Amino acid sequence: NAGVTQTPKFQVLKTGQSMTLQCAQDMNHNSMYWYRQDPGMGLRLIYYSASEGTTDKGEVPNGYNVSRLNKREFSLRLESAAPSQTSVYFCASSEAQQALGSPLHFGNGTRLTVT
Amino acid sequence: AQSVAQPEDQVNVAEGNPLTVKCTYSVSGNPYLFWYVQYPNRGLQFLLKYITGDNLVKGSYGFEAEFNKSQTSFHLKKPSALVSDSALYFCAVRGYSSASKIIFGSGTRLSIRP
Repeated sequence: NAGVTQTPKFQVLKTGQSMTLQCAQDMNHNSMYWYRQDPGMGLRLIYYSASEGTTDKGEVPNGYNVSRLNKREFSLRLESAAPSQTSVYFCASSEAQQALGSPLHFGNGTRLTVT
Repeated sequence: AQSVAQPEDQVNVAEGNPLTVKCTYSVSGNPYLFWYVQYPNRGLQFLLKYITGDNLVKGSYGFEAEFNKSQTSFHLKKPSALVSDSALYFCAVRGYSSASKIIFGSGTRLSIRP
């Protein structure tokens, strides 16, 4: 069982460069999420997709865009990277946004450094 | 607005002793509460959740958590700690609205010494 797969695992960007973080899940989940993890701040929600064809902003959406390509895949794009976006990024999925008690399933993260 | 607080950045416990990792929350109405664990260079893994019913919830790896509505707390506990329990632990809360998001605490690093 692959679960939630994120690529790449590591990335170094220069300020102003762009990149896309890829995420795919094989659990037939409806909802997918992007979080960033910074020391002492826990996880903060960037964007989420309650179901295929919908996306919504989370707590910290500025500087990011997302695409829900199909039910399995949810990508996160940085159009013009900034040092403040240095972080570890996690993709997660759950059965449905409306299934309030269903837990999140996380990928292993992408460690991004912007110089 | 929802919020969750983990007041301790680090908890140190000797192997074999009981452990407690604290969590308090704020949410409108009844909460959904979760605990996750993160091992180095890995994503978070679900440990247990409280939705309704018994205030004591049992989860994976021998962990349990006690929901206390009057104190708005959901502390994680284990009767006898193992060195392998050393990890980063996150508490999370969600409200009853379908529009509600899951909000995470800042995390508590648990260190179990042999």
